[in-house]
Amino acid sequence: GAVVSQHPSRVICKSGTSVKIECRSLDFQATTMFWYRQFPKQSLMLMATSNEGSKATYEQGVEKDKFLINHASLTLSTLTVTSAHPEDSSFYICSVAGGTVEQFFGPGTRLTVL
Amino acid sequence: AQSVTQLDSQVPVFEEAPVELRCNYSSSVSVYLFWYVQYPNQGLQLLLKYLSGSTLVESINGFEAEFNKSQTSFHLRKPSVHISDTAEYFCAVSKGSGNTPLVFGKGTRLSVIA
Repeated sequence: GAVVSQHPSRVICKSGTSVKIECRSLDFQATTMFWYRQFPKQSLMLMATSNEGSKATYEQGVEKDKFLINHASLTLSTLTVTSAHPEDSSFYICSVAGGTVEQFFGPGTRLTVL
Repeated sequence: AQSVTQLDSQVPVFEEAPVELRCNYSSSVSVYLFWYVQYPNQGLQLLLKYLSGSTLVESINGFEAEFNKSQTSFHLRKPSVHISDTAEYFCAVSKGSGNTPLVFGKGTRLSVIA
């Protein structure tokens, strides 16, 4: 399967600052990338779907101006959490897809907002 | 819309005992079914998947799952668990190609007791 990396793996920031999370597909042409959020002891909830070169499609209840997604190439997507607040603290996971049924997940990024 | 129900949030089991983690789904269309495993502070790893063909699918580490269309179930089983199987297990469904997001169940925490 595809190898997917996320950077950083952990980040701690102050309330009000912005944080960028990268998702890289190292050996796979990812035409579509998904961003999920996982709160402690809960399941993964889809935040948005991004197709390479297009604007992301956000799920209901996810603020597109707060969670900026860029999918500029077939191997890189970024999620920027703008003006982060403590309630944004979560585990953010990306997955990549490229025409097969299977998706490949990154290792996740733990965001803690103080 | 698809949905996934994992009835058991926690399953404690003694080492070398058998285990079954239950998963039921609802969908008006044909689906693809997955089981993922998540170890603490890590991303998701694909355990096994049902796409088509044989309804019994197996993983390399002894887990198996059986797709039952009439009961809309995809229960995960292992005849003898190890301490290292302690983790969170997520059942997921996809209605189409890999460019379709997954819908996850709430997860089942498997705790193997020595």
